[in-house]
Amino acid sequence: NAGVTQTPKFQVLKTGQSMTLQCAQDMNHEYMSWYRQDPGMGLRLIHYSVGAGITDQGEVPNGYNVSRSTTEDFPLRLLSAAPSQTSVYFCASSTQNSKTSGRAPTGDTQYFGPGTRLTVL
Amino acid sequence: AQSVAQPEDQVNVAEGNPLTVKCTYSVSGNPYLFWYVQYPNRGLQFLLKYITGDNLVKGSYGFEAEFNKSQTSFHLKKPSALVSDSALYFCAVRGYNFNKFYFGSGTKLNVKP
Repeated sequence: NAGVTQTPKFQVLKTGQSMTLQCAQDMNHEYMSWYRQDPGMGLRLIHYSVGAGITDQGEVPNGYNVSRSTTEDFPLRLLSAAPSQTSVYFCASSTQNSKTSGRAPTGDTQYFGPGTRLTVL
Repeated sequence: AQSVAQPEDQVNVAEGNPLTVKCTYSVSGNPYLFWYVQYPNRGLQFLLKYITGDNLVKGSYGFEAEFNKSQTSFHLKKPSALVSDSALYFCAVRGYNFNKFYFGSGTKLNVKP
């Protein structure tokens, strides 16, 4: 298994440009999420998904869109990049026992991708 | 509100000495607590987790963590530090909405030979 993969590894954008950060997992995990990592702030949840067709907002969703058309893929879209979106972005996945599934939570571990370093000029 | 605090930005310890990286949490209901490690230019790797049961949890690479409900803490420990343990460590909690994880700001561990 490749685990969680992310592309690209590095990206430089100009303010106002759009782009999509790709994330894929081959572990058949229901739950996928996007975080941004900024110095001194740890990881902050942007969006997450508990299964194909189901997405929801995290702590810092503004400026980002997501969709989940398949179990494997969870792309993150920046429609109009801003310098404040300069960050390192991590995708993660885990098996999920959420309230929406009706199953008891087990505190499943998240598996992280290698990250995408994004700079917005 | 759910939150995690790591009060130390950096911890310095000599190789062979015991290490502790501190974490306190605030969560509604029973906490699900995690420790992750991040090496330079890499994603986060799972170390250990507390779900229920024994308050002392053992994880990867000789790390362990002690859950203390009364102090709402989940400190990471290792009896004998290695230089290769030098990395960034994150504590995380899974919130009342089980779909959301909350991470601390991270603690940089420096182990000197």
